[in-house]
Amino acid sequence: DAGVIQSPRHEVTEMGQEVTLRCKPISGHNSLFWYRQTMMRGLELLIYFNNNVPIDDSGMPEDRFSAKMPNASFSTLKIQPSEPRDSAVYFCASSQTGGGSYEQYFGPGTRLTVT
Amino acid sequence: AQSVTQLGSHVSVSEGALVLLRCNYSSSVPPYLFWYVQYPNQGLQLLLKYTSAATLVKGINGFEAEFKKSETSFHLTKPSAHMSDAAEYFCAVSEAYGNEKLTFGTGTRLTIIP
Repeated sequence: DAGVIQSPRHEVTEMGQEVTLRCKPISGHNSLFWYRQTMMRGLELLIYFNNNVPIDDSGMPEDRFSAKMPNASFSTLKIQPSEPRDSAVYFCASSQTGGGSYEQYFGPGTRLTVT
Repeated sequence: AQSVTQLGSHVSVSEGALVLLRCNYSSSVPPYLFWYVQYPNQGLQLLLKYTSAATLVKGINGFEAEFKKSETSFHLTKPSAHMSDAAEYFCAVSEAYGNEKLTFGTGTRLTIIP
């Protein structure tokens, strides 16, 4: 299995620009999670989907952030407009729920730098 | 609501010495517990998990953890540290009968002294 795939791996953009991060979960997994990791705040859950439906978006910082999952094999996290404080590593993770153990498999992350 | 506390944001051990990373959890229902490892510039990788079966759980790379309900602990150990163990380690908890969200600790950075 290819694991969770994220693109791009690195993104550098200027303040005010739109940024789109992409994620392909592991085939057969039915839950998908977006996290943000910074030195100051550690690992934060932004939003998660189950069967393509957003279940909990309470971690989304503000309206500038949006996430979609149009099908079981693809999700996007969009920031519009981007700000320097959005600089972080963004991880996507997927899991197969229903089996009872809930372990999540993480992608390699996208390192976002907003100047 | 569940929570996790990792004692010690930085731990240093000599190569060949015992590794002990501490994790205490809080959960109103029986928990599932996990340890993840993160190497520099990589995502998190599952080391091991406790899901209400055996209380002593063995994972990859020689690590193991013991679930102690009376102490609400799930400490991670390895008998003999190797240089390749240098990484950041995260403890996480979910509710066994709840949703699949994981709550992560703040992480412990493990340094191995040659």
